[in-house]
Amino acid sequence: NAGVTQTPKFQVLKTGQSMTLQCAQDMNHEYMSWYRQDPGMGLRLIHYSVGAGITDQGEVPNGYNVSRSTTEDFPLRLLSAAPSQTSVYFCASRTGMETQYFGPGTRLLVL
Amino acid sequence: DQQVKQNSPSLSVQEGRISILNCDYTNSMFDYFLWYKKYPAEGPTFLISISSIKDKNEDGRFTVFLNKSAKHLSLHIVPSQPGDSAVYFCAASRGDSSYKLIFGSGTRLLVRP
Repeated sequence: NAGVTQTPKFQVLKTGQSMTLQCAQDMNHEYMSWYRQDPGMGLRLIHYSVGAGITDQGEVPNGYNVSRSTTEDFPLRLLSAAPSQTSVYFCASRTGMETQYFGPGTRLLVL
Repeated sequence: DQQVKQNSPSLSVQEGRISILNCDYTNSMFDYFLWYKKYPAEGPTFLISISSIKDKNEDGRFTVFLNKSAKHLSLHIVPSQPGDSAVYFCAASRGDSSYKLIFGSGTRLLVRP
């Protein structure tokens, strides 16, 4: 049981490049979400999904796309990276509030 | 406009003493509050929660207090241990099954041996 896994751990992009941050969980959780953590800002919700085929926007969705084709996977896509998207990204899955498990994070640097 | 605020970026306490971490919120619709703990290079982990129908919740060395009239909550750690050194985030939501969790900016706790 690996919990929530995220790849890559670290990525450097140039402005305008695209990439996908991968997230997978093996706990059969219906709810998954993506957060970004910036200095002095805490964690902010980007997008979330309440089940396969269902996604919705969080606080800061602009510049990001998501899809949920399976229960296990919830990738986050940056179509055209910008320096403002330099951050640490956390994926999470849960059944209830107290059982929300976070992945180890992906550190993204956009030059 | 931050709805959940942790005004102390850092806190340093002696091992064995009490650590008190504070959190304020502005949205009176929040009715469920959580504390998460985060070590470097790891994701946050759930620590303790409290519903707005309570004013206190305890779990071992950790106690969370909620003052609804002041829109303030605090996390007490007694006694503090060096392994408690981490960043602590408070978070709030509307309902214990809400999909949207609003986080504070975090407080870095250092427990000195």
